Amino acid sequence: QVQLVQSGAEVKRPGASVKVSCKASGYTFTSYDIHWVRQAPGQGLEWMGWLNPNSDNTGYVQKFQGRVTMTRNTSISTAYMEVSSLRSEDTAVYYCARPPRVESKGRWLRLSYWGQGTLVTVSS
Amino acid sequence: DIQMTQSPSSLSASVGDSVTITCRASQSISSHLNWYQQRPGKAPKLLIYAASNLESGVPSRFSGSGSGTDFTLTIRSLQPEDFATYYCQQSYSPPSITFGQGTRLEIK
Repeated sequence: QVQLVQSGAEVKRPGASVKVSCKASGYTFTSYDIHWVRQAPGQGLEWMGWLNPNSDNTGYVQKFQGRVTMTRNTSISTAYMEVSSLRSEDTAVYYCARPPRVESKGRWLRLSYWGQGTLVTVSS
Repeated sequence: DIQMTQSPSSLSASVGDSVTITCRASQSISSHLNWYQQRPGKAPKLLIYAASNLESGVPSRFSGSGSGTDFTLTIRSLQPEDFATYYCQQSYSPPSITFGQGTRLEIK
């Protein structure tokens, strides 16, 4: 079965960087985009961007441009999302997610498979 | 950017009730609208895609409708496990997607 397993919780100082991993299993890793969504405490869902594990192409929400980097290691079916120059407002649960089918992209994008979430706390 | 506005932000209901949650887009998004359920401490779960299609494994008491700018999620005969937060999400402007702010459904 499809599984996305994320790395554990992190506590970081302001200005530091954090790298969250998302290990995929149960399917061909390079066949599906990986999306990253975050959720600040008590707040709603915020889409951050996507990674195509096959081409290594990425796309980021403008507010995260230059501060977020999405990468992958296809040999271990793992996607990564790194946030640099952390500030308190980056305290959130970060999720990786995947569409249900290969054709579920573009205007038909929906996210059916989700990781368990990784809490990143930014505090001095 | 397309903005998604849900209403109400929260509502209270009892087991067995029916409820409707509304999602409005800032411009027409055709039927490119999905609904998710999120229970506390859990990842979101896809319920409805393309405005009115029930995701596999989701109970039939959930239904979605709408097109253009106005959409609804209806839950009939509420069950205890349905008390959660619901989000709409548009996918009209790829690759960007946006979520509504969420509607918290509480037990009365």
